[in-house]
Amino acid sequence: DAKTTQPNSMESNEEEPVHLPCNHSTISGTDYIHWYRQLPSQGPEYVIHGLTSNVNNRMASLAIAEDRKSSTLILHRATLRDAAVYYCILCGYNKLIFGAGTRLAVHP
Amino acid sequence: DSGVTQTPKHLITATGQRVTLRCSPRSGDLSVYWYQQSLDQGLQFLIQYYNGEERAKGNILERFSAQQFPDLHSELNLSSLELGDSALYFCASSEEGVRQETQYFGPGTRLLVL
Repeated sequence: DAKTTQPNSMESNEEEPVHLPCNHSTISGTDYIHWYRQLPSQGPEYVIHGLTSNVNNRMASLAIAEDRKSSTLILHRATLRDAAVYYCILCGYNKLIFGAGTRLAVHP
Repeated sequence: DSGVTQTPKHLITATGQRVTLRCSPRSGDLSVYWYQQSLDQGLQFLIQYYNGEERAKGNILERFSAQQFPDLHSELNLSSLELGDSALYFCASSEEGVRQETQYFGPGTRLLVL
């Protein structure tokens, strides 16, 4: 079965870049890689997604390995508001595979 | 505000009881998803519906069931409740329920089983 593996926690300083890794070695060829984040006491919110190519949006960048067995969410300049749990998710045909999430702490 | 609404916000009940959680998707969204988040745990996908039909199933217990109605709202029924069912239950919605779409999450229903 496909699954995603993420570090339990990471720390960063404000204004510095953050690279959040995710391993998904059993990904299927048609699975999309999504990232969501959950701020304290809120429901998860969408961050970014991709299939094969790297993606950029106003929130973050997603770097996908050439073999698609891993990906990295990049926050270019962390702010205190980025402190959250970040989930890496595989979205395939009739399946959703969640990782356990990485809790990101951002220090002033 | 994601546009997804969930009721009730909080629910306290006893072991062995049955409860129903309700979700209204964003206007125009045809697919709803249900998730469970236990204390200090990550999100567990339970089930997905698209336009009234079950589309995908995750780690949903046999004591739990869900349905999506013609007006597209969805209900999650939890029966024979156990202490371990205490959790946050999230509903999310998306337009077509396909793998490249964004899901919009509601604020959640906090269930406490005593």
